[in-house]
Amino acid sequence: NAGVTQTPKFQVLKTGQSMTLQCAQDMNHNSMYWYRQDPGMGLRLIYYSASEGTTDKGEVPNGYNVSRLNKREFSLRLESAAPSQTSVYFCASSEDGGENQPQHFGDGTRLSIL
Amino acid sequence: QKEVEQDPGPLSVPEGAIVSLNCTYSNSAFQYFMWYRQYSRKGPELLMYTYSSGNKEDGRFTAQVDKSSKYISLFIRDSQPSDSATYLCAMSRANNLFFGTGTRLTVIP
Repeated sequence: NAGVTQTPKFQVLKTGQSMTLQCAQDMNHNSMYWYRQDPGMGLRLIYYSASEGTTDKGEVPNGYNVSRLNKREFSLRLESAAPSQTSVYFCASSEDGGENQPQHFGDGTRLSIL
Repeated sequence: QKEVEQDPGPLSVPEGAIVSLNCTYSNSAFQYFMWYRQYSRKGPELLMYTYSSGNKEDGRFTAQVDKSSKYISLFIRDSQPSDSATYLCAMSRANNLFFGTGTRLTVIP
């Protein structure tokens, strides 16, 4: 019963490098989300995908791109990493994008950018 | 002003105590309210989920929503060391969840 799986769990990058964070869910959910979690700031939405084939910006999208590869997978890409993007990144999914649908989270990717 | 405010704590209580965790919010459009529990180095785990005003109980946990005051609470009865975690309140509007910053709770044996 995996739920939401994120890879990698940890990563260290140098400024300017690129990388892709992977997320997959096995709950047959339609909607998927990417958040970052920073001390004192809580969880902030970066991008979301209400359904396969659609993506929308959240509160803090600058410096990120996303791809909804299929119904199961939603990736987050940093094209040119900056120290301000050091954070813990969480992927989540919900049955659909309705406000009555709770979201289920993965265990995060801890990303440090030097 | 943030849409959701939560006292970050930390909060330390002895085992067996009743714990009260609270959030306030500013947007009256919120209808669905959630509490998540997050253990260290883990993702948030949905703990309680309520709609509109009122109480909901699940074992040792009770979630309370007072929409007139824009105030939500989570009560933990007979707290256990395994309850030591960060508790996040969240509320939904359209496609988005709005989170508090979390309250870190330690239950001391």
